[in-house]
Amino acid sequence: AQSVAQPEDQVNVAEGNPLTVKCTYSVSGNPYLFWYVQYPNRGLQFLLKYITGDNLVKGSYGFEAEFNKSQTSFHLKKPSALVSDSALYFCAVRGTGGFKTIFGAGTRLFVKA
Amino acid sequence: DGGITQSPKYLFRKEGQNVTLSCEQNLNHDAMYWYRQDPGQGLRLIYYSQIVNDFQKGDIAEGYSVSREKKESFPLTVTSAQKNPTAFYLCASRAGTSGGARYNEQFFGPGTRLTVL
Repeated sequence: AQSVAQPEDQVNVAEGNPLTVKCTYSVSGNPYLFWYVQYPNRGLQFLLKYITGDNLVKGSYGFEAEFNKSQTSFHLKKPSALVSDSALYFCAVRGTGGFKTIFGAGTRLFVKA
Repeated sequence: DGGITQSPKYLFRKEGQNVTLSCEQNLNHDAMYWYRQDPGQGLRLIYYSQIVNDFQKGDIAEGYSVSREKKESFPLTVTSAQKNPTAFYLCASRAGTSGGARYNEQFFGPGTRLTVL
């Protein structure tokens, strides 16, 4: 069965510091991995995805994520956090050939000025 | 939120009442999805549809119904059988293999917040 774990309910970081939001997954076969961001009372916005190829994926707003197959992880990173990055972040996975995307419970990022 | 609209933004339901949430997309996507979002639980899949006139139950379909008569539209009905319907409902669509670089990404609508009175 597919599953996604986001072990931190909340991540706090100071503006200008690097940030990491953690995600681990379980899926049969090769994974399709995604990060989405949600601002209050809004839908989810796509940030980046890993399908195949380079393990380091670059996405929107300066975010990047590293696919680590041996650790089954797909952590979201940004070198320098902004206050405007404060939001709810979701990691998601879908198995190759599958149709259902499984979402993690979400991690709330709080960037302090 | 581009390309997918949901209405209404806020909806109030009385006990024993059925309500229908609208979802429309102009992205020409084949697949559409309905999710329910509760605090601390992420998104849970209610129903999904891969093509017109076909849909499948997700993980929490009980008390919900859908239709897919047109490619652009995937309305969700919350029936009186759904005992705890208060939640934020999100509709999404996904491009097929013709979507090019955007293939596999889900595009989300702005959501409908349903509250039971």
